[in-house]
Amino acid sequence: GNSVTQMEGPVTLSEEAFLTINCTYTATGYPSLFWYVQYPGEGLQLLLKATKADDKGSNKGFEATYRKETTSFHLEKGSVQVSDSAVYFCALSDLMDTGRRALTFGSGTRLQVQP
Amino acid sequence: EPEVTQTPSHQVTQMGQEVILRCVPISNHLYFYWYRQILGQKVEFLVSFYNNEISEKSEIFDDQFSVERPDGSNFTLKIRSTKLEDSAMYFCASSERTGELETQYFGPGTRLLVL
Repeated sequence: GNSVTQMEGPVTLSEEAFLTINCTYTATGYPSLFWYVQYPGEGLQLLLKATKADDKGSNKGFEATYRKETTSFHLEKGSVQVSDSAVYFCALSDLMDTGRRALTFGSGTRLQVQP
Repeated sequence: EPEVTQTPSHQVTQMGQEVILRCVPISNHLYFYWYRQILGQKVEFLVSFYNNEISEKSEIFDDQFSVERPDGSNFTLKIRSTKLEDSAMYFCASSERTGELETQYFGPGTRLLVL
């Protein structure tokens, strides 16, 4: 079956530091990939997405590139802010391959940014 | 910006009691979902719903669970006889058909505690 693996948290950074949160996946077909963010006390918000190899999703300074050869979708940001403190979830959808709509999520990575 | 809403935000119930969790999806969306996140674990898919019927469900979604769209706006998850292990955050999501990529938009969640 499908699976998503994320790096363990928490990740603690100082403001303006460079962020990488690793995400790798296992899927039988050609999935779509997503990053969702959950701020304290809130629900899951879509951060960015990509549908095919070498696509780069970007939003709010965050980027992730769909790497089919390494089955990865690592999240990066050049300069984090305290307001980026949240839990980040990598997810995949194999809708186009299987017709299944269920998203498969990683375990989430908590990011703590200190002033 | 349209958003998915959920009520209540928190629910405490006794084991064996029935609970109904409510969701109002985004108004032009056609697909509706429930996910849950047990504390410290991954977000897990429960069920998807389209055209007034279940289109997909996971092994978690057993006979004690049911979903309904009682009117044109609400989407509910009923747990008939709650167990301690049903304690979790329950997320509703909705999506529209957008061709190749379908994006699911999540509500803020209902935290259910079964005592």
